Amino acid sequence: EIVLTQSPATLSLSPGERATLSCRASQSVGSYLAWYQQKPGQAPRLLIYGASNRAPGIPASFSGSGSGTDFTLTISSLEPEDFAVYYCYQRSDWPLTFGQGTRLEIK
Amino acid sequence: EVQLVDSGGGLVQPGGSLRLSCEASGFTFRDYWMSWVRQAPGKGLEWVADINQDGSAKMYVDSVKGRFTISRDNAKNSLYLQMNSLRDEDTAVYYCAKEYRRGLDYWGQGILVTVSS
Repeated sequence: EIVLTQSPATLSLSPGERATLSCRASQSVGSYLAWYQQKPGQAPRLLIYGASNRAPGIPASFSGSGSGTDFTLTISSLEPEDFAVYYCYQRSDWPLTFGQGTRLEIK
Repeated sequence: EVQLVDSGGGLVQPGGSLRLSCEASGFTFRDYWMSWVRQAPGKGLEWVADINQDGSAKMYVDSVKGRFTISRDNAKNSLYLQMNSLRDEDTAVYYCAKEYRRGLDYWGQGILVTVSS
């Protein structure tokens, strides 16, 4: 099983700041990595697929990078609505797996 | 507009069974892989199972193998999850989701399954 480890577990920042979230895979997933945002009581929302491709309707402030085992989600300038939990997900090999999540909270 | 509507959850005793359904609309259902993902209360996301376009390929997380069965009816634009021998640890919100370029781009609203005596 491919284990995805996200860091940090919690990130405290202010609106307008830049957020950098990390996801590390226990073995290579190529570029088959996606990022999701989840707010309380809501279903997850796809942000990034294929490691670096923004999903339709996702603002340009969100960007993804990386390949193999190390991936980054960057939010260039935080808006109030960006504070949520973020998960990475690999679809390189079964069983498909999610990271444990990074909680992005307002400082 | 793409919509996925989950149904069939509820309270069930340990060892019992439930069948979840997901009705899809707004896209050509038969063209896409579909998944079930769950989230235990206060916990993270866990992929449960997925199925290919014609139902010939089905994959499961180890913890549900032999107990859960994913299926689909392309004529009815519907996805199913038959859950047998339910355990306390299966308590979660279950989401169906549509695959898009190896991500999951549309999700149902989620349905709560509670396993408790």
